[in-house]
Amino acid sequence: AQSVTQLGSHVSVSEGALVLLRCNYSSSVPPYLFWYVQYPNQGLQLLLKYTSAATLVKGINGFEAEFKKSETSFHLTKPSAHMSDAAEYFCAVSANTGFQKLVFGTGTRLLVSP
Amino acid sequence: DSGVTQTPKHLITATGQRVTLRCSPRSGDLSVYWYQQSLDQGLQFLIQYYNGEERAKGNILERFSAQQFPDLHSELNLSSLELGDSALYFCASSVTSGQNEQFFGPGTRLTVL
Repeated sequence: AQSVTQLGSHVSVSEGALVLLRCNYSSSVPPYLFWYVQYPNQGLQLLLKYTSAATLVKGINGFEAEFKKSETSFHLTKPSAHMSDAAEYFCAVSANTGFQKLVFGTGTRLLVSP
Repeated sequence: DSGVTQTPKHLITATGQRVTLRCSPRSGDLSVYWYQQSLDQGLQFLIQYYNGEERAKGNILERFSAQQFPDLHSELNLSSLELGDSALYFCASSVTSGQNEQFFGPGTRLTVL
């Protein structure tokens, strides 16, 4: 079984500051990990994914995440926040074989202030 | 735009009623997934279809059912609606059942009064 825990339902940063959104996973098999972003009144958009290749994954809009097996973590970072990054971010996990159900975390709302 | 379309965007109905949500996957995608997003339950997987066949079930109530048609579009049927069924319902699609990248539609917001 797989699960993810996102620490912090809300994260506030200033424009230009580092963004760090935390995700820890639990998986009985090697996982695939994902970060999705949801803007208000929209569907989910894939930011990046880890599928057992490079542990440092670069995604869209300047985001990246590092898979750390020893820490069971897949934290999302961005060096410099923009106002347009304000949204809800979801970490998700799936098994790397067989059926690909996505198990989502509870989400972290990123607030960016001028 | 993910290429996944969902209709309607909004749906308001009364308790005890039945509704049908429709999803058209991206061109070429054979697999369709349904998810429910609510304030208390978060994002939860409901059911998956692959090329017309049910592939897996998640936390889907017996009052809910789905199907995937030969043209690969899918419908989610919700019956005997309760207030607690009010939620955003997302459809996602992927190329195959084993393909990890799922593309999400814009969702249908269901309000049960």
